[in-house]
Amino acid sequence: GQSLEQPSEVTAVEGAIVQINCTYQTSGFYGLSWYQQHDGGAPTFLSYNALDGLEETGRFSSFLSRSDSYGYLLLQELQMKDSASYFCAVKRSASGGSYIPTFGRGTSLIVHP
Amino acid sequence: NAGVTQTPKFQVLKTGQSMTLQCAQDMNHNSMYWYRQDPGMGLRLIYYSASEGTTDKGEVPNGYNVSRLNKREFSLRLESAAPSQTSVYFCASSELAGGMETQYFGPGTRLLVL
Repeated sequence: GQSLEQPSEVTAVEGAIVQINCTYQTSGFYGLSWYQQHDGGAPTFLSYNALDGLEETGRFSSFLSRSDSYGYLLLQELQMKDSASYFCAVKRSASGGSYIPTFGRGTSLIVHP
Repeated sequence: NAGVTQTPKFQVLKTGQSMTLQCAQDMNHNSMYWYRQDPGMGLRLIYYSASEGTTDKGEVPNGYNVSRLNKREFSLRLESAAPSQTSVYFCASSELAGGMETQYFGPGTRLLVL
C-alpha cells in the first residue's frame, strides 16, 4: 500500500526558516509535490520534484531523496500569510498506465509575530 | 479563464437522498479527479479520469459514482447519501508539462448529510 508521513503541526516566528518533512512508502513512485491550503480554501500547487535535489521557487524550496523516500519543504523569511496547511503528495503509477496522486494528512504551520 | 468550477458550494441532504456534484474546467486538461477532505485526513481520492471516456476508482470509491461527460466536465454522484459522506469535496484537473504535473483545484463543495 501507500503511506506518507508528515508532522501534524509546526510553529515558527515571523522571519524564521521552517522545514516540513515528508517520508513516503509507495510502489511505482514518480514524483513528490507540495500544496498549500489556507483555512476554507482550495489547495494550491507549490512545487514538484521528480529527481533528487533541491528545487527553489522564491521563498519556498523543496527537496527530494528518492533513495531515502524522503522530501521536505523549506519556507524562508516566514510571513504571517504563510500560516496554512501544507500537504505532500506522491505521484505513483496506477493501472492502465496512468499516474495518480496520494496525499499526506497535512502539516498545519502556525506563524507567530 | 475560470479554471476549475464546482457547483453547488454548499448542500444539506437527508440520509438516503441523492445528488450530483458538478465540476468543469476550461484549461483543456486531460485528467480530472474527485477528492474528499475530512479533518485530519488530508485529501483522499474518490475517483479519477485520466482522459475523456475513462474513469477509475481511487482510494475511497464506495458509495459514489462518476461520469466524465466530456473533456471539460466530470461529475460525482451520491446515490443514497449517508452521514459518513459529510465532507468537503474537491474536484481537480491536472496538466503534465516538462515532466511536472500540476493539479488545479476547484473551490470545493461542503456537504452535510443529516
